[in-house]
Amino acid sequence: ETGVTQSPTHLIKTRGQQVTLRCSSQSGHNTVSWYQQALGQGPQFIFQYYREEENGRGNFPPRFSGLQFPNYSSELNVNALELDDSALYLCASSLVGGAGSPLHFGNGTRLTVT
Amino acid sequence: AQSVAQPEDQVNVAEGNPLTVKCTYSVSGNPYLFWYVQYPNRGLQFLLKYITGDNLVKGSYGFEAEFNKSQTSFHLKKPSALVSDSALYFCAVGYGNNRLAFGKGNQVVVIP
Repeated sequence: ETGVTQSPTHLIKTRGQQVTLRCSSQSGHNTVSWYQQALGQGPQFIFQYYREEENGRGNFPPRFSGLQFPNYSSELNVNALELDDSALYLCASSLVGGAGSPLHFGNGTRLTVT
Repeated sequence: AQSVAQPEDQVNVAEGNPLTVKCTYSVSGNPYLFWYVQYPNRGLQFLLKYITGDNLVKGSYGFEAEFNKSQTSFHLKKPSALVSDSALYFCAVGYGNNRLAFGKGNQVVVIP
């Protein structure tokens, strides 16, 4: 059983640029969620994808967008990067279900915006 | 709206002593509660969850948590802490469809 893998591990971008982060779900999981973890904070829910469609969104602007592919892998895209976008971005996969299903997290992508 | 509070920034404990990390929650409806651990430069690892049933939940690596509905708490405990338990611990409440609202985290430092 392969776990959740994310790439790249680290990334440095300049304000105003665009970035794409990638995630491969754990085998057998059909739902992927993205979280942003700012330094010293808990992770914040960005959005979730199920069956290649967005299935819920947190309090993040539209310049945060995503995709889910038929093999359940996913991308997080952020346009017009701002300094406050610097954070650890975590991908989590799970089987679709209620609020009691645990999420399985990848090791994250550390994004630095200068 | 659902929320979680972890009142302490850091918990220091001597190796071999009991470890407690505190968490209180606020939800409408039945609570689904989780504890995750994060090691440096790593993602979050699932430790345990409470959905229903016994108030004492046992999880990975010898950790357990006690659900207390009247106090809206879900404290994480370990009878004898190890140096390797030093990490960042997050309490979270589940809501909607597989979503989590996290607390700010507690840094646990186990002193040899």
